[in-house]
Parts: sequence; structure tokens; C-alpha cells
Amino acid sequence: DIQMTQSPSSLSASVGDRVTITCRASQSISSYLNWYQQKPGKAPKLLIYAASSLLSGVPSRFSGSGSGTDFTLTISSLQPEDFATYYCQQSYVTPYTFGQGTKLEIK
Amino acid sequence: QVTLKESGPALVKPTQTLTLTCTFSGFSLSTSGMRVSWIRQPPGKALEWLARIDWDDDKFYSTSLKTRLTISKDTSKNQVVLTMTNMDPVDTATYYCARMTAAAEFDYWGLGTPVTVSS
Repeated sequence: DIQMTQSPSSLSASVGDRVTITCRASQSISSYLNWYQQKPGKAPKLLIYAASSLLSGVPSRFSGSGSGTDFTLTISSLQPEDFATYYCQQSYVTPYTFGQGTKLEIK
Repeated sequence: QVTLKESGPALVKPTQTLTLTCTFSGFSLSTSGMRVSWIRQPPGKALEWLARIDWDDDKFYSTSLKTRLTISKDTSKNQVVLTMTNMDPVDTATYYCARMTAAAEFDYWGLGTPVTVSS
């Protein structure tokens, strides 16, 4: 199975900050990398697919980049509603695998 | 409008078999490229993919759980069913179903159904 490793596991930041979350795959997954946002008690929501494609309706402050084994999710200017847990997921091959999550907290 | 909803027992006993149903609307699993997956999340932990079924009835399973899982579909009812045998307390989790397109991202999710395994 492909292992997905996110860093950091948690992150404290302030409204207006720029934050970057990293996801690394244990082998090349081309651009088959998706990012999800999950708030407590809610289902995850797709933000970015195919490494860098922003889902329609997702604010443009979210962006994704990378290919191969190294990927990043960047939020350019944190808003109060962005404090949540973020997961990466590889869709290159089954079994699909998720990162362990990055909890973004208010400083 | 695409919606998915999970249903099933909230409590099962160890060694029992869990049966979960995903009822969806807004798309058809007979459409080429459509897929539905099951994903779970233990309390306070990360997401774990379990199984996938495709429009052409192809099926895929988690490596670690494949001996315990069976996924099936009823296209006429717009339902996907997941069974998991020999339930254990470590299987306590919220279970989600999610739609996938051929691009293989989970674009729509159900609200999830919590399952507790306890005697």
C-alpha cells in the first residue's frame, strides 16, 4: 500500500496568516492527490483534486501544488472558517490511502 | 443534486456482522465511470478507505480488511451495501459512503453513520 505522510500533524496560526501543509507519498503517484477539509462532527469536503485543481466554489485562497511524491496545500490568508483538519489522499491506485491529518488551530 | 445517506445499526456486538446501506440520489451507478466507496473514521483518528464498487460491478478492497468485507450494489434501488464480518471494538467508527467519478476523488460524501462495537 502507498503510505501518505502529512506534516505538520498540528499547526497553530492566526487569521490572515499564510499556511502550508505538506503531504509526501511513499512512491510516485503522479498528480493523483486530493485534499479534503473536515470540521468536527462533519463529513470531509473535497477542496482540491488532481494535486492543483480547485473544486468549483472553493475560495481561491486555497491552492495545491506538487507531483510525484511531494505535495503542498497552501492557504494564502487564513479565515476563521478555515480552522479545521485537512487530509491528503492518493487516488493513484487502490487501496486508496489518506494522510494522518493536519489539525489547523487558532493561535 | 447529488446526495448520499448511510444507514445501519448504531451498535453491534463483537463477532457479529455489520451491514451498512448507502442510499444515493442525483446520479446512477449504471453510468460509465461512476463509483461508490466506503470510508471510516475511528473517534479522533484519521480516515481509512474500505472498499469501492464501480458501475461495471468491479470491486476493490482494503488490503488489511479484504477478508472481512463485501461490497455490492442494487442499481434499481440506488443503493450500495457493505458488510463487515467478525466485528471487533477496534471497528468502532463513523462509516461514510462517498461518490467517486472516474477521476477518483471523493466528490460527494454522506453525513456518516456512527457504529459502536461493544458487548
